[in-house]
Amino acid sequence: DTAVSQTPKYLVTQMGNDKSIKCEQNLGHDTMYWYKQDSKKFLKIMFSYNNKELIINETVPNRFSPKSPDKAHLNLHINSLELGDSAVYFCASSQHAPGQATNEKLFFGSGTQLSVL
Amino acid sequence: AQTVTQSQPEMSVQEAETVTLSCTYDTSENNYYLFWYKQPPSRQMILVIRQEAYKQQNATENRFSVNFQKAAKSFSLKISDSQLGDTAMYFCAFSPNYGGSQGNLIFGKGTKLSVKP
Repeated sequence: DTAVSQTPKYLVTQMGNDKSIKCEQNLGHDTMYWYKQDSKKFLKIMFSYNNKELIINETVPNRFSPKSPDKAHLNLHINSLELGDSAVYFCASSQHAPGQATNEKLFFGSGTQLSVL
Repeated sequence: AQTVTQSQPEMSVQEAETVTLSCTYDTSENNYYLFWYKQPPSRQMILVIRQEAYKQQNATENRFSVNFQKAAKSFSLKISDSQLGDTAMYFCAFSPNYGGSQGNLIFGKGTKLSVKP
């Protein structure tokens, strides 16, 4: 069984559209994250939620809105898509939030490749 | 600001040989964690090895080992007896010691490693 699963794996859409990427983890973890990997392979954190509460919010346009209906899910909704949003988006999870425990492991999903035309 | 630099965009090695990937970082923190992640063509991010900055002993995981030089802020990855399955992008990453959680990871830009038969 996949520990962290995100859908879809590939998403091709037109500029200006609104799209969502879903993420689910079956590990019983408290914390989930969204990372963005750009065309140069640079991976950067976007958001983190702990027990459905936002704890990390890096400088990300307001068009990106994470939603956590429960601690096993963290979806990413993107409004008014732009060409620069094309990237691979990774969901991840960990048992605890940053600062709560040592010896943590981060589990990544397999990524969603978003292409904005 | 904390940064991670991988100066080798691409490297290649013959199967069964040894290869070393370089990573340097910049931080004013005294306690932190360092990681190497592997990203094969499947896009899955896989933790290869981690090092706690307060530990002087270099971490090892089977064929993977690190050379951690805290004063020089250097954290290289050595892969021994390279295998075809080691072909992947390798990312060096840094995490401030917020209890050791990997959540707020700062990644380098990656090194593409090709293992040749």
